[in-house]
Amino acid sequence: AQRVTQPEKLLSVFKGAPVELKCNYSYSGSPELFWYVQYSRQRLQLLLRHISRESIKGFTADLNKGETSFHLKKPFAQEEDSAMYYCALIGTGANNLFFGTGTRLTVIP
Amino acid sequence: DAGITQSPRHKVTETGTPVTLRCHQTENHRYMYWYRQDPGHGLRLIHYSYGVKDTDKGEVSDGYSVSRSKTEDFLLTLESATSSQTSVYFCAIRAGGSEQFFGPGTRLTVL
Repeated sequence: AQRVTQPEKLLSVFKGAPVELKCNYSYSGSPELFWYVQYSRQRLQLLLRHISRESIKGFTADLNKGETSFHLKKPFAQEEDSAMYYCALIGTGANNLFFGTGTRLTVIP
Repeated sequence: DAGITQSPRHKVTETGTPVTLRCHQTENHRYMYWYRQDPGHGLRLIHYSYGVKDTDKGEVSDGYSVSRSKTEDFLLTLESATSSQTSVYFCAIRAGGSEQFFGPGTRLTVL
């Protein structure tokens, strides 16, 4: 069965400090993973997908199949990064998007 | 915003009443989805549609039904709302690849 685990509900860092939001998954096949961000009371926005390997707003995420992880990283946090972050995995058929429970990131000025 | 709107944006209703939420898209995408967002659960799939009149159940479909009579509209109905269905409901579409794009959400409160 597919599962996405985000172990931290809350994460606070100071502005300018590095950020790492953890995501671990379990999936029997070859996973397709995403990070979504939700700013206060707004819609979810796609931040990253592992296939594209691009950097958005300074964030990167590398798929580590050995550790079944897809951690989100940014070297220098900004106040505008404060938001809810969701890791998600596409299951079989590409219709079952499974979400983790989310991590609320607060960047302290 | 991938041309996705939801209506209403906010609704307060009473237990036992029927409620219908609407998702509208302007870009003719085949796949549409309904999720609910709850603290401690993230987002969970309720139902999805892969074409006009073609729908299937998701993880938390009990108490919900859907209909899609036109490509652009995907309706979510709570036949008899319960307090456990108080949530934020998000519609999404799949555009081209496997990534999904979300609507602005509907905040539903069942008293």
